[in-house]
Amino acid sequence: DIVMTQSPLFLPVTPGEPASISCRSSQSLLFSNGHHYVDWYLQKPGQSPQLLIYLGSNRASGVPDRFSGSGSGTDFTLKISRVEAEDVGVYYCMQALHNPLTFGGGTKVEIK
Amino acid sequence: QLQLQESGPGLVKPSDTLSLICTVSGGSIDTSGYYWPWIRQPPGKGLEWIGSFYDGGNTYYNSSLRSRVTISVDTSKNQVSLRLTSVTAADTAVYYCARRGLTIAATWGQGTLVTVSS
Repeated sequence: DIVMTQSPLFLPVTPGEPASISCRSSQSLLFSNGHHYVDWYLQKPGQSPQLLIYLGSNRASGVPDRFSGSGSGTDFTLKISRVEAEDVGVYYCMQALHNPLTFGGGTKVEIK
Repeated sequence: QLQLQESGPGLVKPSDTLSLICTVSGGSIDTSGYYWPWIRQPPGKGLEWIGSFYDGGNTYYNSSLRSRVTISVDTSKNQVSLRLTSVTAADTAVYYCARRGLTIAATWGQGTLVTVSS
């Protein structure tokens, strides 16, 4: 199974400041079509996970452009250029290259 | 716009069978190129993949659940079903269905909470 390791586990942030979350996979997530099969999700308190980024760097429909995804091979990053109060919650990375689909343990983002 | 809605009993007794349905609207479940995962999240914990149904009829299950889980589709009703037998309290979770494809954004349902308790 592919293990997804997120860091940090907890991220206190200041509104208006940038933030970054890392996700490392135990195997390369590059498929033969050139895409990396990594999603990023935000689960706000009491809500279901919402897709932010798919294929490593594609923003999902309706996602603000302050969110961006990057990375290759086994190392991926979610960046928020300027954190807003509504961005609090738990962020998860997920790999969809191989079954079983696996998730990172989550990064809890809170406002300082 | 594609929408997925999970439904089923919110309370299941230990040793019984959990049965959930995911109703798909805004798109046909019969369209090739997609697969349909089920994912769950125990209260206060992380996300766990249960299994997926692929077009063509293939299914893949989490090895920890394989002996107890079945995922199937009913194309006439545009629904994906999840069946989990011999449930215990450890199966208490919010259950999500989703649609994934090779190069498209995934779509998830809102989830349904299932509690296993006598």
